[in-house]
Amino acid sequence: DAGVTQSPTHLIKTRGQHVTLRCSPISGHKSVSWYQQVLGQGPQFIFQYYEKEERGRGNFPDRFSARQFPNYSSELNVNALLLGDSALYLCASSAGDRHNEQFFGPGTRLTVL
Amino acid sequence: SQKIEQNSEALNIQEGKTATLTCNYTNYSPAYLQWYRQDPGRGPVFLLLIRENEKEKRKERLKVTFDTTLKQSLFHITASQPADSATYLCALAPGGTYKYIFGTGTRLKVLA
Repeated sequence: DAGVTQSPTHLIKTRGQHVTLRCSPISGHKSVSWYQQVLGQGPQFIFQYYEKEERGRGNFPDRFSARQFPNYSSELNVNALLLGDSALYLCASSAGDRHNEQFFGPGTRLTVL
Repeated sequence: SQKIEQNSEALNIQEGKTATLTCNYTNYSPAYLQWYRQDPGRGPVFLLLIRENEKEKRKERLKVTFDTTLKQSLFHITASQPADSATYLCALAPGGTYKYIFGTGTRLKVLA
């Protein structure tokens, strides 16, 4: 059974551009969370979606947005990219309850020049 | 302010010894606390979850304790092996939220 998949693996953008990252959760999982991880730090929570509804939002500017589709896959969009947005973006899927373990994908490495 | 602290310094231990990693938090009342392992360039991998009403949880060579009075969780790896070398992250969900907050992680190196 496939784990969490993310695309693309790597991405290079320039300041001011827009980026869309994609995530497919484990089959049967209805919850997807997005995290940003910069080098040397732990993952920082951006969003959680459950059954296509936003269930949690971290301290990120409105340039960050996300959505979840009927098949539970998800997109993270970042507008007006800044150099500081360079990071590993991780997607995690879970069954949806707070006590459920999160399964992380391999991440998308975003570099903003 | 709300904080989760893990030892930022790397922990080096000899193979076969017990590694103990610490996770301290302030100004949270977490219902759940999780521990993850992360290898370089990869996503975290779930290891253990402990609830606020549980004192201890075990899985094979791993043991987690949770002291809500001290606001601390300890993560133990017994009979450590070089393959246990990785960064270990703790994460908690503040009561009533679905938002998991991660610590900065502690890098463990097990020397052969």
